[in-house]
Amino acid sequence: DQQVKQNSPSLSVQEGRISILNCDYTNSMFDYFLWYKKYPAEGPTFLISISSIKDKNEDGRFTVFLNKSAKHLSLHIVPSQPGDSAVYFCAASAGSGAGSYQLTFGKGTKLSVIP
Amino acid sequence: DVKVTQSSRYLVKRTGEKVFLECVQDMDHENMFWYRQDPGLGLRLIYFSYDVKMKEKGDIPEGYSVSREKKERFSLILESASTNQTSMYLCASRRDSRTQYFGPGTRLLVL
Repeated sequence: DQQVKQNSPSLSVQEGRISILNCDYTNSMFDYFLWYKKYPAEGPTFLISISSIKDKNEDGRFTVFLNKSAKHLSLHIVPSQPGDSAVYFCAASAGSGAGSYQLTFGKGTKLSVIP
Repeated sequence: DVKVTQSSRYLVKRTGEKVFLECVQDMDHENMFWYRQDPGLGLRLIYFSYDVKMKEKGDIPEGYSVSREKKERFSLILESASTNQTSMYLCASRRDSRTQYFGPGTRLLVL
């Protein structure tokens, strides 16, 4: 059973426009969410995170929105740049016990920013 | 700056060989993780360790074992490599926050 879902395997956006990557989760115990960016043949790099006590977190061009009632989060990139072209993974963790050690990842969305 | 290093970037092995993948972190992190990444499947947790000599199975531990003799080093062992273990292997570590920091990955090809 997939607890973290990224339903769009790929997304193409024009340079300078907004990129919106979506993520849904099913486990109501998840209380912390992260986005990672991954280039081919490299390890994922941490991008931005959000706790369930917030509904928005912003860092430069990147903003993550959390809608707990819908169990949905999204990553907005504004403006999109060609260097943003990568695979983006959504991840979630549950706060208590051994589960807090682990991250559950979605399958990723490949973003292509077209110059 | 957190640094997680992996012993090899690319590795080619034969079916049946014993394979060791090494991971080292230099930030005194308690927790370390091994994932594999396959196209269309995302990152799947193989094993993790929350302390020296401690290990826990992840979602797909079959065919793998791990060793954590020192805090900074976490090894993944393929006891008898098979072609379905061809994959990208990623090591990660964390300390207090939920954020895990990843190494560059090892792309393993089993022939």
